[in-house]
Amino acid sequence: DAGVIQSPRHEVTEMGQEVTLRCKPISGHNSLFWYRQTMMRGLELLIYFNNNVPIDDSGMPEDRFSAKMPNASFSTLKIQPSEPRDSAVYFCASRRTSGGDEQFFGPGTRLTVL
Amino acid sequence: QQQVKQSPQSLIVQKGGISIINCAYENTAFDYFPWYQQFPGKGPALLIAIRPDVSEKKEGRFTISFNKSAKQFSLHIMDSQPGDSATYFCAARGSSGAGSYQLTFGKGTKLSVIP
Repeated sequence: DAGVIQSPRHEVTEMGQEVTLRCKPISGHNSLFWYRQTMMRGLELLIYFNNNVPIDDSGMPEDRFSAKMPNASFSTLKIQPSEPRDSAVYFCASRRTSGGDEQFFGPGTRLTVL
Repeated sequence: QQQVKQSPQSLIVQKGGISIINCAYENTAFDYFPWYQQFPGKGPALLIAIRPDVSEKKEGRFTISFNKSAKQFSLHIMDSQPGDSATYFCAARGSSGAGSYQLTFGKGTKLSVIP
């Protein structure tokens, strides 16, 4: 079975541009997480979805960030407008809510905002 | 508030040696303690995990030691190999409310195993 799929793997954009990151969770997993990883702050949870519904978005840094999960197999994280301080690696992870402890991480999207 | 403190930040070990990474937590509601391994350019992957009803868990060369009273847990890598060179993250999670899904991660330890 394929793991968590993220696209693009690398994104370089200019300040002020809109950025959309995409994630396909593992089939059958009904919990989805978006994380941001930086040297300074480590791994931070941005938002958590359960059964496609956003449960906890308290980690979303500000209104420039938004996330959607229109169906069980697809989620997006959008930054509009992007700023240089948004440069980081963004990970998507999924988990089975029932009987599953392990979060499976995707390979990440390395975002650079110039 | 950093709820999981991890040390050291970096570690250099000779091949065949023992690597030890330590973590301390504050929240007594935590009841699941995983360790994740991350190679450059990859996402973190679960290595081994423990619950507080046992004091030690071993899987191959990897062992978690858990001290509930001290609120500390550690990862021991026996016979360390160059292929173990990676960044290791400890984490903790509770069992109710936001704690039932939210993993709180340590800042990570970059391990380098030299031949």
